[in-house]
Amino acid sequence: GENVEQHPSTLSVQEGDSAVIKCTYSDSASNYFPWYKQELGKGPQLIIDIRSNVGEKKDQRIAVTLNKTAKHFSLHITETQPEDSAVYFCAATGGGFQKLVFGTGTRLLVSP
Amino acid sequence: DTGVSQDPRHKITKRGQNVTFRCDPISEHNRLYWYRQTLGQGPEFLTYFQNEAQLEKSRLLSDRFSAERPKGSFSTLEIQRTEQGDSAMYLCACRGPSNYGYTFGSGTRLTVV
Repeated sequence: GENVEQHPSTLSVQEGDSAVIKCTYSDSASNYFPWYKQELGKGPQLIIDIRSNVGEKKDQRIAVTLNKTAKHFSLHITETQPEDSAVYFCAATGGGFQKLVFGTGTRLLVSP
Repeated sequence: DTGVSQDPRHKITKRGQNVTFRCDPISEHNRLYWYRQTLGQGPEFLTYFQNEAQLEKSRLLSDRFSAERPKGSFSTLEIQRTEQGDSAMYLCACRGPSNYGYTFGSGTRLTVV
């Protein structure tokens, strides 16, 4: 089955810096790659996603890139703000039921 | 408000007791998933419903776990004879028939003492 690895596990940046989180996946049949933000005591919230027929997608300060050949994808956050502090999860899915397989999460801390 | 409601938000139970959680998905989202999340980990898939049919179960879902989705609307997840290892956040998510994006609820945090 699918296996998703995520790095780093923690990331500390200064406000205004960029942050990059990387994930690799194992199943070449996976075709959908979402990123979730989870704040304390809340469920994961979808922030951006990408399908396998696209190499890059951007939404304001957030972008995701996908390299299908290398089977890795990355989340890029520019001009970070303290409210970006949270745990971020990548995930991958494919197949008929599209169940998500999550990475282990990255705790992002943005210091003012 | 995410549109997916889970009840209760928190549950503390004694080992050996049975517990039941409820999920009310976004209406018209026919695909419903249960996930379990332990501290410091990503959510892990438990089971999947399409309408009222339970189409996939993880091997994480032991015989003590059962899930239902009568009439393809709300869903319940029951854990019988709870163990301390069942302590976790139980998340419900749903998807519509023509989109990829999942919407998660806020979860039910279970503590078994």
